Amino acid sequence: AQSVTQPDARVTVSQGASLQLRCKYSYSGTPYLFWYVQYPRQGLQLLLKYYSGDPVVQGVNGFEAEFSKSNSSFHPRKASVHWSDSAVYFCAVSATNYNVLYFGSGTKLTVEP
Amino acid sequence: GPKVLQIPSHQIIDMGQMVTLNCDPVSNHLYFYWYKQILGQQMEFLVNFYNGKVMEKSKLFKDQFSVERPDGSYFTLKIQPTALEDSAVYFCASSGDWGGASQNTLYFGAGTRLSVL
Repeated sequence: AQSVTQPDARVTVSQGASLQLRCKYSYSGTPYLFWYVQYPRQGLQLLLKYYSGDPVVQGVNGFEAEFSKSNSSFHPRKASVHWSDSAVYFCAVSATNYNVLYFGSGTKLTVEP
Repeated sequence: GPKVLQIPSHQIIDMGQMVTLNCDPVSNHLYFYWYKQILGQQMEFLVNFYNGKVMEKSKLFKDQFSVERPDGSYFTLKIQPTALEDSAVYFCASSGDWGGASQNTLYFGAGTRLSVL
């Protein structure tokens, strides 16, 4: 069975600071990994995805993430956050069939001015 | 970008009654999903749907739950009868394709908060 752990329920950083969120997955096969972001009163939007190949993937809004099979991790980072990055971020792993996503519990990011 | 609309945003209902949650998926998408999120917990997969059929469902998709998309209109989740533990936010999603090495992106709605009293 597949699962995802996001160890940080809340993260607070200052505007302009660097950011790294954390996600560890559990899956015996080849994982498809995703990060989604949810802004207030909006649906989830895709931030990053990893299928195969180069372990460093570029996402939207200046985010990038590195997949590590040895560490079972997929941590996104951003060099300089903006107050508009404040949102809830969800990590997800997908099984190989039917696009079923298994989500982590989410990390609420607050960027202070 | 592509939008998935969910109607209504909040629904309050008495236990035992029927409720239908509506989802207007991205117009050219063919694959549809429902997820459930209880406050403070993880978002969990309920069911996916293609070509008029349920392709896969989780143990959370109880017998009281049903899904359909009549005449290519709304993709609906019906709960009949509702129970207190059905209180949650229900997210609809759609995608253009699935499977293999090119897992397509799921587009999510903003959710419908269901409160069962």
